[in-house]
Amino acid sequence: EAQVTQNPRYLITVTGKKLTVTCSQNMNHEYMSWYRQDPGLGLRQIYYSMNVEVTDKGDVPEGYKVSRKEKRNFPLILESPSPNQTSLYFCASSSKVRSVSNTEAFFGQGTRLTVV
Amino acid sequence: AQTVTQSQPEMSVQEAETVTLSCTYDTSENNYYLFWYKQPPSRQMILVIRQEAYKQQNATENRFSVNFQKAAKSFSLKISDSQLGDTAMYFCAIWPESGTYKYIFGTGTRLKVLA
Repeated sequence: EAQVTQNPRYLITVTGKKLTVTCSQNMNHEYMSWYRQDPGLGLRQIYYSMNVEVTDKGDVPEGYKVSRKEKRNFPLILESPSPNQTSLYFCASSSKVRSVSNTEAFFGQGTRLTVV
Repeated sequence: AQTVTQSQPEMSVQEAETVTLSCTYDTSENNYYLFWYKQPPSRQMILVIRQEAYKQQNATENRFSVNFQKAAKSFSLKISDSQLGDTAMYFCAIWPESGTYKYIFGTGTRLKVLA
C-alpha cells in the first residue's frame, strides 16, 4: 500500500529539548516536503527536498532543520523547540514527473506537537 | 507570488442537500493544477478532486464536482447529496507546473453536514 508514515502522531515536549519527527514514504517519490498547519493559516511549507541531498527552505523555515540522506526518509528536526512551534505537522511526498496523474501529494497522518 | 483564498471559514448543510465551497486564487503561471483536499477529524489529508488549468472541462468525481473559471481565477467545489461523512475541513490548493513543487493552500473551510 502506498503510504507516507510519520512518527510520532502526538508529542509534548519542553522548550529547548531537541526533537525529531520522522517521515518515510514507500512510493519512490523524489519530492518530499514538510508543512505546518495552524488555525486560520492553512498549511504552510517549512522545507522541501527535490531528491537525495537536495533540500531548500519553504515559507516558514526558521527554527527547523531537515536532511535527506535516503530517498525514502525526510526527518524534521527542531533543535531548540519553542512554544510558537506548537502546531500540526504534515510530511508529504509526490513524484517530480509533471503529469496530471502524478500531481497528487500524499500526506502522512500528521504529528500534533505541543511545546510547553 | 501565488495565493489561494477561501472566504468561507465555516459552512453547514443538511444531509442530502447540495453545498458549494468557494476558492479563488492568484498566479502568474501559464499552467498549474488545482486541488481540493478533505481533512476529516482523523486529520488525514485526502485528495477529493483535481483540475489541470489548461483543461476547459470541469472535473467530476462521483458526488464532487468543480466549477473552474480560469479567467476569474475561481475554483469552487460542489458537493451533491451531502453525507454525514463529508463533515471535514476542506482545503483548496494550487500547484504551479514550474518552480519549486510547492503546493499553496488556502486557509480552509470547515464543513458540517447536519442530520
